[in-house]
Amino acid sequence: DADVTQTPRNRITKTGKRIMLECSQTKGHDRMYWYRQDPGLGLRLIYYSFDVKDINKGEISDGYSVSRQAQAKFSLSLESAIPNQTALYFCATSDPRGRNEQYFGPGTRLTVT
Amino acid sequence: DAKTTQPNSMESNEEEPVHLPCNHSTISGTDYIHWYRQLPSQGPEYVIHGLTSNVNNRMASLAIAEDRKSSTLILHRATLRDAAVYYCILRDFSSGSARQLTFGSGTQLTVLP
Repeated sequence: DADVTQTPRNRITKTGKRIMLECSQTKGHDRMYWYRQDPGLGLRLIYYSFDVKDINKGEISDGYSVSRQAQAKFSLSLESAIPNQTALYFCATSDPRGRNEQYFGPGTRLTVT
Repeated sequence: DAKTTQPNSMESNEEEPVHLPCNHSTISGTDYIHWYRQLPSQGPEYVIHGLTSNVNNRMASLAIAEDRKSSTLILHRATLRDAAVYYCILRDFSSGSARQLTFGSGTQLTVLP
């Protein structure tokens, strides 16, 4: 089983709708991240969380909110989706001990029409 | 954050070595050099990282210039599965802050059979 899972894997929604993307991890890491990727570009950080009570805005947080329900779960919400939020969304986790590398989920492809 | 510069694309023949360059002329003394890669339709995955000395692991080698202003990721024998976008990323561990990854646009590696 994958260590970092994301649901849904694909979603098409309409402008103005609220949508939630979910991320779960079994790695036991405290740190979790949400990134978005636009075609031909690298990833940009939306939000990150160092533990359940610690949530921080990243580079492009406007229009997004997050919830850290438990150590293993980190959800990203689009309160009122707009077409320029059409992108590939990745969740990641990391452990500050050791190499502190980030482990990424498979991504959610979101299309806002 | 210090910036990295990578070629947009490179080609290699299968089973030959590949040298992927990265320039980071404004690197600070506390910046680690990380490499991630993103296979098609997948999330990024960690490849290797280093600070000053050359590093080897089962996936690749990292050669760091003596002045640390450039580095090279070396794949010793490219396979078709190595076709991916390779990202060179600097991470500052001095501040103990976000530790998020700042992705540029990376190098698209094409491996020819």
